[in-house]
Amino acid sequence: GQQVMQIPQYQHVQEGEDFTTYCNSSTTLSNIQWYKQRPGGHPVFLIQLVKSGEVKKQKRLTFQFGEAKKNSSLHITATQTTDVGTYFCGAGNNRKLIWGLGTSLAVNP
Amino acid sequence: EPEVTQTPSHQVTQMGQEVILRCVPISNHLYFYWYRQILGQKVEFLVSFYNNEISEKSEIFDDQFSVERPDGSNFTLKIRSTKLEDSAMYFCASSVQGADTGELFFGEGSRLTVL
Repeated sequence: GQQVMQIPQYQHVQEGEDFTTYCNSSTTLSNIQWYKQRPGGHPVFLIQLVKSGEVKKQKRLTFQFGEAKKNSSLHITATQTTDVGTYFCGAGNNRKLIWGLGTSLAVNP
Repeated sequence: EPEVTQTPSHQVTQMGQEVILRCVPISNHLYFYWYRQILGQKVEFLVSFYNNEISEKSEIFDDQFSVERPDGSNFTLKIRSTKLEDSAMYFCASSVQGADTGELFFGEGSRLTVL
């Protein structure tokens, strides 16, 4: 079945440093979604990417969808302690969303 | 702001007992899902539900699991005979359109502990 791989699994950064997580699939994706889960919380939708090569920004967050629609990235500029959590990418069809393992981000103040 | 609500927030049960986890999806949503997350691991898809029937289920969702929409508001997950490995956080989610079209709204989860 469809799988998405995410790297890295964990990352520690100093506050103010940048952070990037990558999501890869062996198959072409129709779209990809990104979610954030704070420690002890539930997943919260961040964004959906649909078009090949699409780039979307939300303040310090930049999301990219690869030209071949097989990979995606989330980049956070100048991390803050509020960015702590696990970032998941998800891909699928209208019946289900399959998630990567997630990247857990820790930010040292 | 509308939200998905789940009860109970935490349930402790003995192995072999039946458990029902309840969810109230957002009222105008048509697609409903159950996911689970074992501590420290990824969020795993269990089942999706649309138009009063299961639209897809994962290999985790075996005969011990069932879902039901008993009325116009609730969406339940039943585990018939719980096993130790069923201990996890169970998230209910709903969406207006299919999972690949837009945002899934998640509840805060029900933590199940099987002893």
